[in-house]
Amino acid sequence: QSALTQPASVSGSPGQSITISCTGTTSDVGGYNFVSWYQQHPGKAPKLMIYDVSNRPSGVSNRFSGSKSGNTASLTISGLHAEDEADYYCRSYSSSNTPVVFGGGTKVTVL
Amino acid sequence: EVQLVESGGGLVKPGGSLRLSCSASGFIFSHYSMNWVRQAPGKGLEWVSSIGSTGSYIYYADSVKGRFTISRDNAKNSLYLQMNSLRAADTAVYYCVRDHPPGDRFGRDTFDIWGQGTMVTVSS
Repeated sequence: QSALTQPASVSGSPGQSITISCTGTTSDVGGYNFVSWYQQHPGKAPKLMIYDVSNRPSGVSNRFSGSKSGNTASLTISGLHAEDEADYYCRSYSSSNTPVVFGGGTKVTVL
Repeated sequence: EVQLVESGGGLVKPGGSLRLSCSASGFIFSHYSMNWVRQAPGKGLEWVSSIGSTGSYIYYADSVKGRFTISRDNAKNSLYLQMNSLRAADTAVYYCVRDHPPGDRFGRDTFDIWGQGTMVTVSS
């Protein structure tokens, strides 16, 4: 069981927007702004998409955005493209037993 | 080009040992904390271990504590993971991952660069 809770799957049609949630506690997501999101295509290494809740690394499309409210962080993909179909993972700093926690992952399907 | 290349994976019997290596290039390795993250077949990402830029701090996931040892050699731009008493549950792709930003952030950071991964299979 992962420390952070994500929906198993989210789907949308091309051009639509979708949002993936990542729910933790006040010891991780809710207490710190060290939340990041990773995209992983099958057979590939994960790729950083959002860091520190809402910052986009250079080269990442501005269709990807991040936010946080309370103990839940969110990743929004606007204007869905076929190539956005992938698994997405959230990650947070945690002040509890271990310093790094991941979400269980969300499979995004473009219909 | 910033790059991380893992090696050392393979097939090992339960109870056996394996040492993974990660060779870094394209950046000042000694400035960055480093990590190992694994992914079992068909499963999600699992953080395994972190080490500070000079080895000043080391953390382990509970699932590997006492069996795995992370280390680094800044002169060789290399990160290592010594894995002992291996179990079937340790079967996974192991990724070498760089922290961002540079410095010792004790987990208050992000993982910005990932290697391609090396597969470890524990089976009799």
